[in-house]
Amino acid sequence: AQSVTQLGSHVSVSEGALVLLRCNYSSSVPPYLFWYVQYPNQGLQLLLKYTSAATLVKGINGFEAEFKKSETSFHLTKPSAHMSDAAEYFCAVTPKQTGANNLFFGTGTRLTVIP
Amino acid sequence: GAGVSQSPSNKVTEKGKDVELRCDPISGHTALYWYRQSLGQGLEFLIYFQGNSAPDKSGLPSDRFSAERTGGSVSTLTIQRTQQEDSAVYLCASSLGIHPQETQYFGPGTRLLVL
Repeated sequence: AQSVTQLGSHVSVSEGALVLLRCNYSSSVPPYLFWYVQYPNQGLQLLLKYTSAATLVKGINGFEAEFKKSETSFHLTKPSAHMSDAAEYFCAVTPKQTGANNLFFGTGTRLTVIP
Repeated sequence: GAGVSQSPSNKVTEKGKDVELRCDPISGHTALYWYRQSLGQGLEFLIYFQGNSAPDKSGLPSDRFSAERTGGSVSTLTIQRTQQEDSAVYLCASSLGIHPQETQYFGPGTRLLVL
């Protein structure tokens, strides 16, 4: 079964500081990996996804994530936090097999940006 | 173009009543998903529709939950004899195709409160 672990349910950073949100997956075959963001009272918006092309993936709003097979990780980073980045972030996976299309989500990390 | 829309945005009901939640996917998207977001369980997959194929109901928590998709477009999620533990935000998503790496686009959700 697919499993996604997000370390840290809450992360606080100062405005302008590095953002690092952690995600690890557990499957013998690397899945497709996604990061979604959820702003208050809104649905989920895709930030970026890894689909077996480049291991460093760039997304919207200055975010990027690096797939590391040896560490089974897909951590999300942004060099300089902005107040507008305050939101909840979800890492998700889908297995690489036909018919298994639903997303398996981590428990989420709430990012607070301190002015 | 319009995104995924859901109605109602909020629903308050009494325990034991039936509720219907509606999802309008992005035009032309062949796949449609329902997820549930609750404090205790996080984001959970409920059901998946793909074209005219039989839906994947593997995530439905009980037989009180059912869903249909008419004409390959609009979907309705029905919860019969609602219970307090059904209180959650119900999210709908759609994707263009069936491949697991396809981006799922989420609606704003329906917030259900069962009293």
